[in-house]
Amino acid sequence: EVQLVESGGGLVQPGGSLRLSCAASGFTFRTYAMSWVRQAPGKGLEWVSVICGGTSTYYADSVKGRFTISRDNSKNTLYLQMNSLRAEDTAIYYCVKGGSTSCNGHMDVWGKGTTVTVSS
Amino acid sequence: DIVMTQSPDSLAVSLGERATINCKSSQSVLYSSSDKNFLAWYQQKPGQPPKLLIYGASTRESGVPDRFSGSGSGTDFTLTISSLQAEDVAVYYCQQYYSAPFTFGGGTKVEIK
Repeated sequence: EVQLVESGGGLVQPGGSLRLSCAASGFTFRTYAMSWVRQAPGKGLEWVSVICGGTSTYYADSVKGRFTISRDNSKNTLYLQMNSLRAEDTAIYYCVKGGSTSCNGHMDVWGKGTTVTVSS
Repeated sequence: DIVMTQSPDSLAVSLGERATINCKSSQSVLYSSSDKNFLAWYQQKPGQPPKLLIYGASTRESGVPDRFSGSGSGTDFTLTISSLQAEDVAVYYCQQYYSAPFTFGGGTKVEIK
């Protein structure tokens, strides 16, 4: 069974940093694109970032230059390093498996999410 | 960036009746070399993460009931629930994965009338 388990969320002050992790199991992690999608309280879904089966990465304009997506295929783990956090980054962050190695693909399995709150 | 616009924002449908959700992209998401539309639909029930329903505009994900269907091409797409069931109460999102950033529509809330 494919499983994605996020961790690393919490309360952080504006300007602070946080690193999210996503532990993957049940599939050949290195061969699939992986994404982060977030959802602010009471709002819709916002795509954040993707890392392809290789090393290509893409970001939403709202996080470009502040967030960095990476993966450790030896640990079957996806990461999101978040710097210079703002109040508007407050959201549930979902780790999502892609349907293929390509970045240009649908997302077929979602984790339960980890909550990030940016507040003083 | 490709802007995804869903309509309506919400709709109330009687049990057993048809629900139709529209999604329009600001530019074509049809990848001409493969003749595939890079468009997916997701369902999110309260308190749960989203779930993939449809990809390639019209291919149902494994295990998704056949009352859910997707249609359209280019810039205009539709998700249809042919006979609404109580468990279909949710918010539905379309998303394009044609070009980054891979944007979502604003969502459509489906309720029982």
